[in-house]
Amino acid sequence: AQTVTQSQPEMSVQEAETVTLSCTYDTSESDYYLFWYKQPPSRQMILVIRQEAYKQQNATENRFSVNFQKAAKSFSLKISDSQLGDAAMYFCAYRSHGNDMRFGAGTRLTVKP
Amino acid sequence: KAGVTQTPRYLIKTRGQQVTLSCSPISGHRSVSWYQQTPGQGLQFLFEYFSETQRNKGNFPGRFSGRQFSNSRSEMNVSTLELGDSALYLCASSLVAASGSGGTQYFGPGTRLTVL
Repeated sequence: AQTVTQSQPEMSVQEAETVTLSCTYDTSESDYYLFWYKQPPSRQMILVIRQEAYKQQNATENRFSVNFQKAAKSFSLKISDSQLGDAAMYFCAYRSHGNDMRFGAGTRLTVKP
Repeated sequence: KAGVTQTPRYLIKTRGQQVTLSCSPISGHRSVSWYQQTPGQGLQFLFEYFSETQRNKGNFPGRFSGRQFSNSRSEMNVSTLELGDSALYLCASSLVAASGSGGTQYFGPGTRLTVL
């Protein structure tokens, strides 16, 4: 079964600092997609970044970047220059062809001013 | 372009009743997926519809059903409500079938259902 594990229920970071959120997944597939979604309090979920498994290059979106280690089945999210607006629940998600999206339990990120 | 909209945003029902939730995808999107979000179980996939056909279904009882109309709008129905059905129900739309590719899903604000 494909499972996604986020081992950090909560994380905090000082404003302007860098934080890394961890995610591991279990799959026997070779072709799949990985996502990080952000869910601010009482606001809707938005996509932060996505990664295709066949691409070796790590995806980057402005201050957000991933460290994708396919052999280790690891997909961590790095947030640089953290801002107060980054405070949210972050969900790691996995999907392979023909299957539904699997989400991790989430990591609650607090940004301290 | 307008985002994914869900109605109603909040709903209170009693056990045994049934409820219908609505989702309007982003214009041009043909795929709609539904998820249940609870503090205990997290985000769980309910089903996906693409071009009016159910493409994929999660592990939920038959009390949970859905459909998609020709304009891609989707409805989700829960019959004989139980206390455990209290949750945030999220709808997500994508341009292509979400289960067929890595198409990005765009989420709506959700409908918070409380069952008393």
